[in-house]
Amino acid sequence: GAGVSQSPRYKVAKRGQDVALRCDPISGHVSLFWYQQALGQGPEFLTYFQNEAQLDKSGLPSDRFFAERPEGSVSTLKIQRTQQEDSAVYLCASSLVGQSNQPQHFGDGTRLSIL
Amino acid sequence: GENVEQHPSTLSVQEGDSAVIKCTYSDSASNYFPWYKQELGKRPQLIIDIRSNVGEKKDQRIAVTLNKTAKHFSLHITETQPEDSAVYFCAECGTSYGKLTFGQGTILTVHP
Repeated sequence: GAGVSQSPRYKVAKRGQDVALRCDPISGHVSLFWYQQALGQGPEFLTYFQNEAQLDKSGLPSDRFFAERPEGSVSTLKIQRTQQEDSAVYLCASSLVGQSNQPQHFGDGTRLSIL
Repeated sequence: GENVEQHPSTLSVQEGDSAVIKCTYSDSASNYFPWYKQELGKRPQLIIDIRSNVGEKKDQRIAVTLNKTAKHFSLHITETQPEDSAVYFCAECGTSYGKLTFGQGTILTVHP
């Protein structure tokens, strides 16, 4: 595809509900990252995939957060039993290879609001 | 852990003036420093990046300088235009696979 695609763009959920956020990376990109961006802040790292392998999940705030990339392309970030502090923009980024100096290309994000 | 400090938090300039945003980092292993521009409700867009083996890089009106000894890097925008108005984020990477740590952002406003 032309760029990283995320869906939905906006998601409103009631506290306690489960949500699933989708990321379609640029075709052929090996590396996929999820970041969380609170209002007025910079993005913060959540987790990293190299192909289908989740190699770093140190940024996930709690065990309510779960991410997968089963076939090494599309990824899903799932949040169980959502809480108000989960409200944020969730950004997905991909890069061609898993190296430290490769540009990361971001999607438009999913704006999650928990009521 | 990694930490990036970005200043100023807001910057207001007149069209045609220059703008400078500075970042400092703590991880001596950091070797890649990208800058992103984010307009309201849009995705962060990579505008320039620099690797640790280079001290300066320029792309038209945008330049980045890196001082590894002092652990700081700066974004320079010359001849600013109203369309440069946005939030700018610096970031650093100190891992082998590309995990980025971002600064807090600078809101740049260019007045016509």
